[in-house]
Amino acid sequence: SQQGEEDPQALSIQEGENATMNCSYKTSINNLQWYRQNSGRGLVHLILIRSNEREKHSGRLRVTLDTSKKSSSLLITASRAADTASYFCATGLSGNTPLVFGKGTRLSVIA
Amino acid sequence: NAGVTQTPKFQVLKTGQSMTLQCAQDMNHNSMYWYRQDPGMGLRLIYYSASEGTTDKGEVPNGYNVSRLNKREFSLRLESAAPSQTSVYFCAGGQGVTGELFFGEGSRLTVL
Repeated sequence: SQQGEEDPQALSIQEGENATMNCSYKTSINNLQWYRQNSGRGLVHLILIRSNEREKHSGRLRVTLDTSKKSSSLLITASRAADTASYFCATGLSGNTPLVFGKGTRLSVIA
Repeated sequence: NAGVTQTPKFQVLKTGQSMTLQCAQDMNHNSMYWYRQDPGMGLRLIYYSASEGTTDKGEVPNGYNVSRLNKREFSLRLESAAPSQTSVYFCAGGQGVTGELFFGEGSRLTVL
């Protein structure tokens, strides 16, 4: 069963615009992670935010976490054509259980 | 430093044939995982190994077996392939079960 669900399923923006993707989850988490997948490639880890953190930055990436709403958002600022990819959230649950991935958001950045 | 390496990258099987997907990591990861990715379904966990010598079922283990051969290697075996097992398979490694994962480039399997 999917723990995290990304929204929207697909997003198309112009280069230079900001892209925001959301992830909602159902149960309490230890951490939440975002991954990127370029077409035909493996997933690459972007950022991890722990349950006691509210916001985290990495370069042009900004991730927020609202545990009261069980949701997270990934903001990519000043997007580039190279940001075109699928983005997945993954939730790390308490206890020794593996990450559970959502179905992803397909981002297209048009030059 | 290759990271996580999967072989083969592509494979076509006939229904009923068997095969093994190999995965090796050189990052000293304790945990290793096998996921499958299907269109519209995201990644679903097949089996994982939290540490050398242990394996556990994930969300979709039916039709698969795994072997944690040593700390570096984690193989996935299909004993009797079925068309429903047509998918892209990803191996991943990480230090802890809920920590950051490092993925291989995937193995695309087609079962006719």
